Amino acid sequence: ILNVEQSPQSLHVQEGDSTNFTCSFPSSNFYALHWYRWETAKSPEALFVMTLNGDEKKKGRISATLNTKEGYSYLYIKGSQPEDSATYLCAFITNNDMRFGAGTRLTVKP
Amino acid sequence: EAGVTQSPTHLIKTRGQQATLRCSPISGHTSVYWYQQALGLGLQFLLWYDEGEERNRGNFPPRFSGRQFPNYSSELNVNALELEDSALYLCASSLWRDRGPGGYTFGSGTRLTVV
Repeated sequence: ILNVEQSPQSLHVQEGDSTNFTCSFPSSNFYALHWYRWETAKSPEALFVMTLNGDEKKKGRISATLNTKEGYSYLYIKGSQPEDSATYLCAFITNNDMRFGAGTRLTVKP
Repeated sequence: EAGVTQSPTHLIKTRGQQATLRCSPISGHTSVYWYQQALGLGLQFLLWYDEGEERNRGNFPPRFSGRQFPNYSSELNVNALELEDSALYLCASSLWRDRGPGGYTFGSGTRLTVV
């Protein structure tokens, strides 16, 4: 059974704050690590697909890093906006499995 | 290009009945994944199909089953429904072993309510 942990469980920040979340996963059998944003009443939407140790991805104000040797990935949001409010999920993928963490629920207050 | 489509959007069943949920992947995608999100819980992995075969299943009882058709669409069947099966069921699709930048594409889900 794959253990994918995300922290914190929830986060409340003010508009303009920068924030970051953690995804921890097993350091063996790594194939890929995905980050998704899941807004209420919508489907999860892919943010990043990370495949190499040391990967850094960036999309606008959001970026992510990956350390496969120690089994963690960080997601950073710079200058949070109310529209960033969502649940952020990471998914750990091996050769024959794909498991999500429980997510970090971000609320950005205007 | 059409996205992942799921039907029905909502389904209400009585305890003990059977439910069938359907998923059509993005054209060209061969892998279909099923997930359950029960109230207050995260996405729980149910089943993974690729090229018509079950590749892996999560920690769910055998009354959760499914299949993938030659056109790569998929069905999830839940037999002997129990109240705790009430949940949002999400389907996602991808290319086999895809590491592409798009990640896995999700449908909008089927909300199953068991009364």
